[in-house]
Amino acid sequence: AQTVTQSQPEMSVQEAETVTLSCTYDTSENNYYLFWYKQPPSRQMILVIRQEAYKQQNATENRFSVNFQKAAKSFSLKISDSQLGDTAMYFCAFRSGAGGTSYGKLTFGQGTILTVHP
Amino acid sequence: ETGVTQTPRHLVMGMTNKKSLKCEQHLGHNAMYWYKQSAKKPLELMFVYNFKEQTENNSVPSRFSPECPNSSHLFLHLHTLQPEDSALYLCASSPRTSGSAETQYFGPGTRLLVL
Repeated sequence: AQTVTQSQPEMSVQEAETVTLSCTYDTSENNYYLFWYKQPPSRQMILVIRQEAYKQQNATENRFSVNFQKAAKSFSLKISDSQLGDTAMYFCAFRSGAGGTSYGKLTFGQGTILTVHP
Repeated sequence: ETGVTQTPRHLVMGMTNKKSLKCEQHLGHNAMYWYKQSAKKPLELMFVYNFKEQTENNSVPSRFSPECPNSSHLFLHLHTLQPEDSALYLCASSPRTSGSAETQYFGPGTRLLVL
């Protein structure tokens, strides 16, 4: 079974600074997908960024980028120019690319609470 | 707003009550999911429906009963719940369960308190 670990329960950053959230995962598969979701205090879970394991290039979405290290099974999220609206719980998630009953199932990490200070 | 709505947003119920949670997606997706989010625990997948057929039941107790009458609607029927069932229940949808990087879009959740 896959596991996802976020070792930082809480992080804080000053507005306009850069912060990196860590995520590691464990799988024996070669084809899979990784996601970062954001859950602000309003509770709506929002997709931040996604990465296909077969792609070597790190995904980027505006101020959000990932450092995907497949061999190390590491998938960190970098937030540049942090804004107050980035304050939220951030979840790392894994989805298998294999067939069978696990297809479509997201496995989430425990989450990291990020607070952006003015 | 992600195109997935959930009602009610908050629910308080006694252990002998019967209630239902509703989820509706307006994205034309074919797969829908129920997740449970408890304090200090990762999100737990409960059920998966693909084209109205249940494809995953993640060892969920029978006091939770899902229903998917069509690809746009998903219900979670609750009866004789326990206080430890208090949690945020999230619904999600995706185009389907297979395929490349199928992103799941989440609703705002129903905050459930069982007394």
